[in-house]
Amino acid sequence: QKEVEQDPGPLSVPEGAIVSLNCTYSNSAFQYFMWYRQYSRKGPELLMYTYSSGNKEDGRFTAQVDKSSKYISLFIRDSQPSDSATYLCAMSGGSNYKLTFGKGTLLTVNP
Amino acid sequence: DTAVSQTPKYLVTQMGNDKSIKCEQNLGHDTMYWYKQDSKKFLKIMFSYNNKELIINETVPNRFSPKSPDKAHLNLHINSLELGDSAVYFCASSPPGTSGFTLHFGNGTRLTVT
Repeated sequence: QKEVEQDPGPLSVPEGAIVSLNCTYSNSAFQYFMWYRQYSRKGPELLMYTYSSGNKEDGRFTAQVDKSSKYISLFIRDSQPSDSATYLCAMSGGSNYKLTFGKGTLLTVNP
Repeated sequence: DTAVSQTPKYLVTQMGNDKSIKCEQNLGHDTMYWYKQDSKKFLKIMFSYNNKELIINETVPNRFSPKSPDKAHLNLHINSLELGDSAVYFCASSPPGTSGFTLHFGNGTRLTVT
């Protein structure tokens, strides 16, 4: 079983839709959970990070972590064509400078 | 101003050659990384330096050798290139106190080995 599993998609939605992106993980030592966005031919950029379980909201984006289920989600409300990108989840045990990434989900938001 | 810059952007070379990729960051971060992204977009850490000291060295062939001349620079030298080395190599940096989870990436070096 891989440490981090992420459905690669692709996921195609109409503009204005609510998007749900998910990852599962197996390593219970993970404490920090991140979502990165990667546009085509660019480096990933950090969208949000959360520590331990709970929700975090930033504008149209909400990150959720359920450590009991080892499941994390990113919700995008009122999706825009500019949200079209690959979304990568990433996790860390906290002190070792090492992130473990999911394979990314390719999202296309159609105008 | 570019925060994390890598050169070259594209690198096409033949098997057996030796090549280098350079990275510079102007963010004042202490920690720098090399990540490899394969054709399936899987991003995996290779090396990390903190204040010029190697702190992460994943199971990477000895043909790959990182060097950090100072906190702002991290280079990657690859000897005897193989077809399987074709990938996008990303340099990244992280600020102190975050244990590496807030990464700032460059835009990658696309390496193609023929």
